[in-house]
Amino acid sequence: QSALTQPASVSGSPGQSITISCTGTSSDVGGYNYVSWYQQYPGKAPKLMIYDVTNRPSGVSNRFSGSKSGNTASLTISGLQAEDEADYYCNSYRSSSTLVFGTGTKVTVL
Amino acid sequence: EEQLLESGGTLVQPGGSLRLSCAASGFSFSSYAMSWVRQAPGKGLEWVSAISSSGVRIHYADSGKGRFTISRDNSKNTLYLQMNSLRAEDTAVYYCAKDPNSRDYYFAWYFDLWGRGTLVTVSS
Repeated sequence: QSALTQPASVSGSPGQSITISCTGTSSDVGGYNYVSWYQQYPGKAPKLMIYDVTNRPSGVSNRFSGSKSGNTASLTISGLQAEDEADYYCNSYRSSSTLVFGTGTKVTVL
Repeated sequence: EEQLLESGGTLVQPGGSLRLSCAASGFSFSSYAMSWVRQAPGKGLEWVSAISSSGVRIHYADSGKGRFTISRDNSKNTLYLQMNSLRAEDTAVYYCAKDPNSRDYYFAWYFDLWGRGTLVTVSS
């Protein structure tokens, strides 16, 4: 099962906005609104940041937002802060009742 | 406080078997679907398997089909992953994760609670 495609790294200065893309196919990202995003610090468990493409769980900063266009989903972090430096993974439902994660993106705050 | 605590990870030889457990607390375990997700050292996340709240519906990634069995004991608030015919490529931290859907047979297909993980190393 091939993973969704994410850029290996994205960087930005404090206060800037960055966007992480997550590209799949019509059998996953493009076909369903079951895209979620996770933040993971080294050695720690992932944390849910966005679910169902655009929804933000309670407690997650409104600087994080999600969107989707065609087969590509995106996570935007606005007002970048040092604490946002982490790995980010997208995830999508794929037909035949399976889940697929993205390849992961390392966010660096310059 | 909602918590998940995995256990059972250890060093095992190729071809061996292992059963992982995940103890849940702080929420109504029997009401929610659960999944196992793994992460090889230095690599990304990989979904392994999911089970509905009653255990009636089960799904596997291709990587574990025929070798892994997910199950749950709602009376013990515990999720399991039985892994057989283990290979070097199964080496990973295995996380259990809670799916927030509370309707049986259905899945929300995302995870709002994760455990800390347990390390499985397959090596001779």
